[in-house]
Amino acid sequence: GENVEQHPSTLSVQEGDSAVIKCTYSDSASNYFPWYKQELGKRPQLIIDIRSNVGEKKDQRIAVTLNKTAKHFSLHITETQPEDSAVYFCAPIPVSGGYNKLIFGAGTRLAVHP
Amino acid sequence: EAQVTQNPRYLITVTGKKLTVTCSQNMNHEYMSWYRQDPGLGLRQIYYSMNVEVTDKGDVPEGYKVSRKEKRNFPLILESPSPNQTSLYFCASSRTSGTGGVRRSNEQFFGPGTRLTVL
Repeated sequence: GENVEQHPSTLSVQEGDSAVIKCTYSDSASNYFPWYKQELGKRPQLIIDIRSNVGEKKDQRIAVTLNKTAKHFSLHITETQPEDSAVYFCAPIPVSGGYNKLIFGAGTRLAVHP
Repeated sequence: EAQVTQNPRYLITVTGKKLTVTCSQNMNHEYMSWYRQDPGLGLRQIYYSMNVEVTDKGDVPEGYKVSRKEKRNFPLILESPSPNQTSLYFCASSRTSGTGGVRRSNEQFFGPGTRLTVL
């Protein structure tokens, strides 16, 4: 089954700095790589995703990069703002015949200080 | 409005008293799933369902049951709750995609969560 590790577990930055969170996975058949954001007291919500035929995807201040050879993908947030403070989760989805169990990373708590 | 709903949102119960948490989605999604969230452990999948009458264990299925009799509903059943099942529970749904008989889930749409306390 899939083994997912996320680093760092906590990240503290000053407003305006960049933040990078890395997700490492084990199943080489994974081909969908989402990042979810969970604000305090709220449900997780998708903020960006990438599929295996693409190396990078950007959406305004956030981007995701994928390295399939090394089996990791990263979330990049530039010009961080206090509203970026949240817990971020990765959850790569494998495509191995009939295997549809989802493993989420343990989460990264990002704190953006004004 | 496309959404996933869960009920109840908060529940305090006692050890051994059977309970059911309902989950419903109106997006015609094939895939539905239950997660529990505990501090420091992230989201752990309890059970998932690829379609009606098709369910399978996630990472932490012990002490839970599910059923998928209709596409829109996926209730979580705790036959005999214990204090270690005190947690925040999320239901989620997703469309599936794929070819050649191999289907997989996609973006998870989460419900608002159910905070369960077992005394």
